Amino acid sequence: AQSVTQLDSQVPVFEEAPVELRCNYSSSVSVYLFWYVQYPNQGLQLLLKYLSGSTLVKGINGFEAEFNKSQTSFHLRKPSVHISDTAEYFCAVSAVGRTNFGNEKLTFGTGTRLTIIP
Amino acid sequence: EAGVTQSPTHLIKTRGQQATLRCSPISGHTSVYWYQQALGLGLQFLLWYDEGEERNRGNFPPRFSGRQFPNYSSELNVNALELEDSALYLCASSLGFQVLGYTFGSGTRLTVV
Repeated sequence: AQSVTQLDSQVPVFEEAPVELRCNYSSSVSVYLFWYVQYPNQGLQLLLKYLSGSTLVKGINGFEAEFNKSQTSFHLRKPSVHISDTAEYFCAVSAVGRTNFGNEKLTFGTGTRLTIIP
Repeated sequence: EAGVTQSPTHLIKTRGQQATLRCSPISGHTSVYWYQQALGLGLQFLLWYDEGEERNRGNFPPRFSGRQFPNYSSELNVNALELEDSALYLCASSLGFQVLGYTFGSGTRLTVV
């Protein structure tokens, strides 16, 4: 089974400042990793995903994340945030391969609420 | 291309009643997933349907059930509603069994009073 830890439940950041949202995972097998964003009163939107290859993944809205296997981390970063980035961000993991049914579901962290201060 | 659509948007029920939530996946997607997002608990996996069959379920009691129709749309039923069932229920769809990123609907907000 996989698990995800998002250590920061809330992160306040000044507008135009950089931000890093932390995500650590646990798994006994290889994983795929995802970041989703949830704007108020909406569903989740995929920001970016790591499947294989380059450990630096670029996503939408200027976000990027780096997969670090040795530290089992997948932190999300943005060099300069905007008011419109105010949302909740979820890290998620799924196991690679069809070893048995049950690997297909995503396991989510508890989310980080990003608040942008004007 | 239409996204994942869920209905109704909001649903208010009385404790003990039954609730039915509906989800239409993206055209061509055969897998449908249901998640519960309760306040302070993050997203909890409920059910996964693929090709009309229930493939996996999360740690929820049997009063949470559902089905997938031949057109791949899905229904989530919650019987004997309890106050703690109040949550946002999210449906997602994907192509086949390999999760390469779900596409989520906007959810159904269920309130049990």
